Amino acid sequence: DGGITQSPKYLFRKEGQNVTLSCEQNLNHDAMYWYRQDPGQGLRLIYYSQIVNDFQKGDIAEGYSVSREKKESFPLTVTSAQKNPTAFYLCASSRGSTLSYELYFGTGTRLTVT
Amino acid sequence: AQSVTQLGSHVSVSEGALVLLRCNYSSSVPPYLFWYVQYPNQGLQLLLKYTTGATLVKGINGFEAEFKKSETSFHLTKPSAHMSDAAEYFCAVSSLAGGYQKVTFGIGTKLQVIP
Repeated sequence: DGGITQSPKYLFRKEGQNVTLSCEQNLNHDAMYWYRQDPGQGLRLIYYSQIVNDFQKGDIAEGYSVSREKKESFPLTVTSAQKNPTAFYLCASSRGSTLSYELYFGTGTRLTVT
Repeated sequence: AQSVTQLGSHVSVSEGALVLLRCNYSSSVPPYLFWYVQYPNQGLQLLLKYTTGATLVKGINGFEAEFKKSETSFHLTKPSAHMSDAAEYFCAVSSLAGGYQKVTFGIGTKLQVIP
């Protein structure tokens, strides 16, 4: 079945450590996105990518980094510079940059930093 | 910048009652609007979307939404709530940013269905 796989589902890290969240899709979608979800704040866009080797900062990119070396993969690194990294992280993809295309989501990674 | 506002972060309805979740948008161009649903600890899935054409849009699970340009609204409705409708619902708008599609979400509305 086609879809988006995020791993792991739960992740625990100590403060000061970088951590990488995995996102893989087999939908052959061009565009991929990372969102952060916090209670009462909805989804906020961290980074997005429309093609391989190109990505754009979203609304809250500080303290995060991404890469897009392969069409199917878009890993997110949460660096130690991110002041409040504990959150639920969602990866999504869409067929491309046409505005009518909907997003397809993974099941998320819940990151806890102590 | 385009944005959406969801009125009411929590809504409670009785089973069998009408569901109405409100969404207003801000856009300088014709908007592309979406409703997504999220079950606990899951990703989001598309309920329905408005692009062009018919202003009354039907989606999955008996939900529908009406695009009203004069009111800048895209409210989600369902005639009769079911226990399985308990979830969080997000309104979203799609826009161009730097030549790319950017999707902006509202803060979400948690729907509680009371038996």
